[in-house]
Amino acid sequence: DSGVTQTPKHLITATGQRVTLRCSPRSGDLSVYWYQQSLDQGLQFLIQYYNGEERAKGNILERFSAQQFPDLHSELNLSSLELGDSALYFCASSPSGRDQETQYFGPGTRLLVL
Amino acid sequence: AQTVTQSQPEMSVQEAETVTLSCTYDTSESDYYLFWYKQPPSRQMILVIRQEAYKQQNATENRFSVNFQKAAKSFSLKISDSQLGDAAMYFCAYIWGGSEKLVFGKGTKLTVNP
Repeated sequence: DSGVTQTPKHLITATGQRVTLRCSPRSGDLSVYWYQQSLDQGLQFLIQYYNGEERAKGNILERFSAQQFPDLHSELNLSSLELGDSALYFCASSPSGRDQETQYFGPGTRLLVL
Repeated sequence: AQTVTQSQPEMSVQEAETVTLSCTYDTSESDYYLFWYKQPPSRQMILVIRQEAYKQQNATENRFSVNFQKAAKSFSLKISDSQLGDAAMYFCAYIWGGSEKLVFGKGTKLTVNP
């Protein structure tokens, strides 16, 4: 158990809908990362937050957004969902978001868009 | 572009034997960090081992060790005394100084035969 929690574990929804994925980092970690794992794209970095502020952005679609709250949990919002958004979404955390720190991953949320 | 290549989509090993998974990376950076993550059927991403590029000594964690060849940009993972529980997808990942995102290879599926 990495100490990173994600809810829900599974999510099934329809095209055009909006969903919210939730992540709680390890105790003491200030930085949260979101990754998407799909069959065709592999594991890709989406976005990083540090202590409530966005720090880095990767291949995140405009239909997707995220935020980190004062209690340090983070939410990833996916809207106008398409079939291709079906994937495993991981959250990871590290103490201060610096490159030399190991990122510890949560169990993931499996999203299926029908 | 920063890329990570795992040339072996699948590997198999007999229980108690040794197996080596290959990883190469492309970088012009001098400051970076390398990781191996394991993803068992549960889909959890579990850190196996990490290596700092500035360290000449190869990292070791129990039955897991790496062969880090900086000049060749190679970072292979050796699993000794393979166990059934080692069966998983193994991902090589890289992060460079000043970056916030891990870049992953496509993964190697390891099967352990009893």
